[in-house]
Amino acid sequence: DAKTTQPPSMDCAEGRAANLPCNHSTISGNEYVYWYRQIHSQGPQYIIHGLKNNETNEMASLIITEDRKSSTLILPHATLRDTAVYYCIVLSGGGADGLTFGKGTHLIIQP
Amino acid sequence: GAVVSQHPSRVICKSGTSVKIECRSLDFQATTMFWYRQFPKQSLMLMATSNEGSKATYEQGVEKDKFLINHASLTLSTLTVTSAHPEDSSFYICSARVAGNPNYGYTFGSGTRLTVV
Repeated sequence: DAKTTQPPSMDCAEGRAANLPCNHSTISGNEYVYWYRQIHSQGPQYIIHGLKNNETNEMASLIITEDRKSSTLILPHATLRDTAVYYCIVLSGGGADGLTFGKGTHLIIQP
Repeated sequence: GAVVSQHPSRVICKSGTSVKIECRSLDFQATTMFWYRQFPKQSLMLMATSNEGSKATYEQGVEKDKFLINHASLTLSTLTVTSAHPEDSSFYICSARVAGNPNYGYTFGSGTRLTVV
C-alpha cells in the first residue's frame, strides 16, 4: 500500500499557483518525499524530491513541514500543460526498490 | 541525460500470440529496471524488477511464465507477454533507477499501449 494520502482531484486557474498537498504521517527518518506527474498516456515524469528542507527547481517548489508528516508541491504559474496526475511517493534514498504509486491527484488547469 | 526509450509505443496483437516490449537506457547503464502495468483510470502497479545478468523478481500475483523478462545487457531489458489474452490489454511502462544520480531518481519510458483482440 502507498504510504501517502492525496486528494483525488483539484482544479486551478491558468496562471495561478497550484498547491498540491500530500500526507505521509508514517514517513521514517531516511525516507525522501518524491513527486512525479503523469500526463495522459505517457510515462511518469520526475518533478522534485526532498528530505526535510524545502526545495526548488525549474519546475516546482516542495515545502515539507517541520515534522515531515506532510508536504506541498507548488507549481508557481500553472499552465494548461500542467494538467496531469501528480503522485507523491515516499522512498528510501539508498534503496533499490520499485516505486509504489498511490492514486495521486488529478490536477486540472482551467483556462 | 538519463533517457529511457521504450518500444513499441503501441501494439495490437491477436489473442494467443506473444508480444515483446523493449526498454533501453540511452545514455546510462542500468543494472536494474522496473516494469509497471497500468489499467485505465488506475495507478501504476509494479510487476517486476529486472536485474542485469540474473533472474527477474516478480511481485505477488504476477505470473513469471506469462511475463518473461530478459535483462541481458546494461542498457536493454525486454518484457514478453506470452499467449496474450484480452485481459492483458494494458499500458506497460518501464523505468530505470540511475545509479550515482544525485537525485536518486527514477526515469521512465514513454509506455507501450498493448491491445489484445
